[in-house]
Amino acid sequence: QKEVEQNSGPLSVPEGAIASLNCTYSDRGSQSFFWYRQYSGKSPELIMFIYSNGDKEDGRFTAQLNKASQYVSLLIRDSQPSDSATYLCAADTGRRALTFGSGTRLQVQP
Amino acid sequence: GAVVSQHPSRVICKSGTSVKIECRSLDFQATTMFWYRQFPKKSLMLMATSNEGSKATYEQGVEKDKFLINHASLTLSTLTVTSAHPEDSSFYICSATGADSNQPQHFGDGTRLSIL
Repeated sequence: QKEVEQNSGPLSVPEGAIASLNCTYSDRGSQSFFWYRQYSGKSPELIMFIYSNGDKEDGRFTAQLNKASQYVSLLIRDSQPSDSATYLCAADTGRRALTFGSGTRLQVQP
Repeated sequence: GAVVSQHPSRVICKSGTSVKIECRSLDFQATTMFWYRQFPKKSLMLMATSNEGSKATYEQGVEKDKFLINHASLTLSTLTVTSAHPEDSSFYICSATGADSNQPQHFGDGTRLSIL
């Protein structure tokens, strides 16, 4: 069964801290990975995607991929209250449809 | 960036009504569109994959006669929930991607469907 697992949280961090969000996947055939942010009642918004092992940085966000460990993470530096949302990890297993994790709720305390 | 428009954003209707939801790619050709459903506090569940000009591929457990999908052009896909019942109430979200396999999916704003 193809699964993407995330801790549901909530993950609470103080403003200005680094938030670390983690995700594991079971299908070794997964080729690319995505992090989406979803505010309550809204549609997911793409933050980053990563295909290769290692780190990928974009502004305050860094995605990390370790295919050997089947592990994906998202680091948010200098967290802001506006970053408070549910973060969805998703994997593309090769047929372009995404398998989503259940999401981690992040709360950034002012 | 790529924009996907979904309409309507909210529908409230009586049981037995059929509801059509439109998903449009505004600035790129969407060779593939996806339809997802999300229940409260749950993750997105893929319902079907739609390729332009061909029949949609439905996920296991999704009734194709209940959820009719049409993808007649490279910019428009529609989902029709036929004879909707209260258990069909959910947040329906479409996404679209182009021919480039490295292009990520871009989501519409979603449609909140409430069946009374």
